[in-house]
Amino acid sequence: DIVLTQSPALAVSLGQRATISCRASQTVSISRYTLMHWYQQKPGQQPKLLIYRASNLESGIPARFSGSGSGTDFTLTINPVQADDIATYYCQQSRESPPTFGGGTKLELK
Amino acid sequence: QVQLQQSGAELAKPGSSVKISCKASGYTFTRYFISWIKQTTGQGLEYIGYIYAGSGRTNYNEKFKGKATLTVDNSSNTAFMQLNSLTPDDSAVYYCAREGTGSSYFDYWGQGVMVTVSS
Repeated sequence: DIVLTQSPALAVSLGQRATISCRASQTVSISRYTLMHWYQQKPGQQPKLLIYRASNLESGIPARFSGSGSGTDFTLTINPVQADDIATYYCQQSRESPPTFGGGTKLELK
Repeated sequence: QVQLQQSGAELAKPGSSVKISCKASGYTFTRYFISWIKQTTGQGLEYIGYIYAGSGRTNYNEKFKGKATLTVDNSSNTAFMQLNSLTPDDSAVYYCAREGTGSSYFDYWGQGVMVTVSS
């Protein structure tokens, strides 16, 4: 299985930029597609899709969220961070079966 | 709007089975895959498998073969997951999720079902 590695936590100040990283144990790009996706999860809630195929913003998600990367290294950026963004963020790959998730990065306030 | 409504929390004894449901609305049920995902504090998010509602075709993560059985009832737009031979390691929150077209990401999730296995 492809292993996705995320830092456990990131502390940011409101109004600043947050950069959350995800590294894959092997490439998740195939042809012109990059099969990495990002989710937000708040306590007691289900995950919510933010970004699909590395850089595509899901409908209804604010433009302060963006995704980038290719191959094995990916980034979710939140700029500027708002109070409502305090949550845990997960990356997920679908390049190989089974789909796998990173361990999550908990975004905290400084 | 798309919604996935899951059944309520389950308390089960070791060795027993539970069957949880996921009722879909707001889209054409038979055109999409429904996946099931396990979440625990220790193991994080784990993919169990999918069922294609149009045909009933299933695919399971090797880790969950024999543990989970996925079915659908197209007359009620409902997907089901049965978990067998329960052990305390099966205690978790279980989500159903719709797969977005073509790329195996999950665009809509149910609210989750907490399954607790305890004697």
